[in-house]
Amino acid sequence: QQQVKQSPQSLIVQKGGISIINCAYENTAFDYFPWYQQFPGKGPALLIAIRPDVSEKKEGRFTISFNKSAKQFSLHIMDSQPGDSATYFCAATNAGGTSYGKLTFGQGTILTVHP
Amino acid sequence: DGGITQSPKYLFRKEGQNVTLSCEQNLNHDAMYWYRQDPGQGLRLIYYSQIVNDFQKGDIAEGYSVSREKKESFPLTVTSAQKNPTAFYLCASTRRGPRGESNEQFFGPGTRLTVL
Repeated sequence: QQQVKQSPQSLIVQKGGISIINCAYENTAFDYFPWYQQFPGKGPALLIAIRPDVSEKKEGRFTISFNKSAKQFSLHIMDSQPGDSATYFCAATNAGGTSYGKLTFGQGTILTVHP
Repeated sequence: DGGITQSPKYLFRKEGQNVTLSCEQNLNHDAMYWYRQDPGQGLRLIYYSQIVNDFQKGDIAEGYSVSREKKESFPLTVTSAQKNPTAFYLCASTRRGPRGESNEQFFGPGTRLTVL
């Protein structure tokens, strides 16, 4: 029940296109859903996060869509750029619970944006 | 600059040797974490610590040990009991909010361990 399933495993998009990465979770106690971006040889960095009281959150070209009933959330990257090429991880946690921020990560998506 | 530092960046170990990875943070964060990253498997939690002198096992703790003697430091020892230690190791930390909720988890730059 702790799993977070992420798809696709890899994604190739043309410059200017829309990149979409999907995640599904099982644990209904999860209440904080961050997305991380990781460049090769570096640690992940928080990109955007959402809590289940809203269905969508947008920051610049990055948008999270959240469907609580389906237990799914997705990352949309609009106007994708070659500099967006990286590995993206979704994650989930029960932020207010005793797990105290222990994140469960998806398997990661390698995004390649062609010029 | 506030942040998390990990050292060394690259580490080579012979089979049968223990090795310790360093993690230091100056963010005054309460909780610290160690993850292991393997290709295609995402990040898996090894150990985490919410306060000084206390830590809990994560999902893959076997063959690893940690200590938390200071708030800013959370070293990880990879012991000879870890069967497949070659991986990218990431340390992270997070601050507890006013209502006890967790906040953004910050990651260090990682240590790549290779067993020869």
